[in-house]
Amino acid sequence: AQSVTQLGSHVSVSEGALVLLRCNYSSSVPPYLFWYVQYPNQGLQLLLKYTTGATLVKGINGFEAEFKKSETSFHLTKPSAHMSDAAEYFCAVTRMDSSYKLIFGSGTRLLVRP
Amino acid sequence: DAGVIQSPRHEVTEMGQEVTLRCKPISGHDYLFWYRQTMMRGLELLIYFNNNVPIDDSGMPEDRFSAKMPNASFSTLKIQPSEPRDSAVYFCASSLGSSGNTIYFGEGSWLTVV
Repeated sequence: AQSVTQLGSHVSVSEGALVLLRCNYSSSVPPYLFWYVQYPNQGLQLLLKYTTGATLVKGINGFEAEFKKSETSFHLTKPSAHMSDAAEYFCAVTRMDSSYKLIFGSGTRLLVRP
Repeated sequence: DAGVIQSPRHEVTEMGQEVTLRCKPISGHDYLFWYRQTMMRGLELLIYFNNNVPIDDSGMPEDRFSAKMPNASFSTLKIQPSEPRDSAVYFCASSLGSSGNTIYFGEGSWLTVV
């Protein structure tokens, strides 16, 4: 079975500071990994994804994530936080086979202090 | 292109009433998903369809819930009878092709059962 663990339900950073949102996954087969962002009262929007190839993945709005198989991690980072980054972020995993179940973590709410 | 379109955006209904949520996926997408988001349980996959056929409905909470996809451009999620614990945001999402492809979410239907 697959699962995703996001460490920290809330993360608070100052504007301009590094953003680090943690995600660890469990999967018995090679995974596909995703980060989605949800702004208040909106649906989920894809930030970035890892399928195959380069393990450092760049996404929208200056975010990136690195797939580390040895650590079963897919942490999300951004060098400099902006006020508009305040939102909830979800890590998700699915299987690299015919199964299409996208399993989400519990989410991390990012707060950006001026 | 239009994204995934859901209706209604907001619904307040009384316990025992039937609720029907509607979804129009992105044109050409062959997968359609229904998710439910609550504070307690996070994002849960309820059911998904491939080419209008239900593939996995193991996430449907009980017999009061049913979903249909009569054609490639329309799906419904029905709750009958509704209960207060069904209050949640229900997201429809769609995707094209294999499991590594991006799943696009609608803006959600916010259901309150009183």
